[in-house]
Amino acid sequence: KAGVTQTPRYLIKTRGQQVTLSCSPISGHRSVSWYQQTPGQGLQFLFEYFSETQRNKGNFPGRFSGRQFSNSRSEMNVSTLELGDSALYLCASSRPDRVGRNEQFFGPGTRLTVL
Amino acid sequence: AQSVTQPDIHITVSEGASLELRCNYSYGATPYLFWYVQSPGQGLQLLLKYFSGDTLVQGIKGFEAEFKRSQSSFNLRKPSVHWSDAAEYFCAVGVDNAGNMLTFGGGTRLMVKP
Repeated sequence: KAGVTQTPRYLIKTRGQQVTLSCSPISGHRSVSWYQQTPGQGLQFLFEYFSETQRNKGNFPGRFSGRQFSNSRSEMNVSTLELGDSALYLCASSRPDRVGRNEQFFGPGTRLTVL
Repeated sequence: AQSVTQPDIHITVSEGASLELRCNYSYGATPYLFWYVQSPGQGLQLLLKYFSGDTLVQGIKGFEAEFKRSQSSFNLRKPSVHWSDAAEYFCAVGVDNAGNMLTFGGGTRLMVKP
């Protein structure tokens, strides 16, 4: 079974631009979560999507948004990029049942650099 | 809200020595507990998880962890470390009313001396 895939793996943008990252979950997984990882703040939860609906949201500004498609693939978008948005963005997928106690499978991440 | 603390930012052990990585959580009830490992340039891989029942859980790669409610701890152990265990280790908690959101500790970077 293929794992979680994220595209692109690396991205360089400049301040003020916007960016879209993509995540394809493991087949059959309907929950997709996004995390931001930085050296200063560590791993922080961005949001979770389940059945095309945002189920949970972390403490990030409105510049960070996401969506999920009917095939469970998810995208996240960051508008008006700031230098502090440079990070590894990780996507995780999990089965829909037993919320909270699901094993989450992580993708390799997208490394975003904002210049 | 829940929180996770990993007191040790860096740990260095000799190959073949035993290992214990500390994790303390703060939550009003029993959370769901996880340990993940991250190698450089990689995503996170689940080592083990605790939901309920036996407080000593076995995971992959020879790791185990023990849940101690009285100490709000979930420490990760391995009896004999291999050079390939060098990586960053994250403890995380999930709770019932937050979907699949995980709250992570700051991580512990493990270095292995030959």
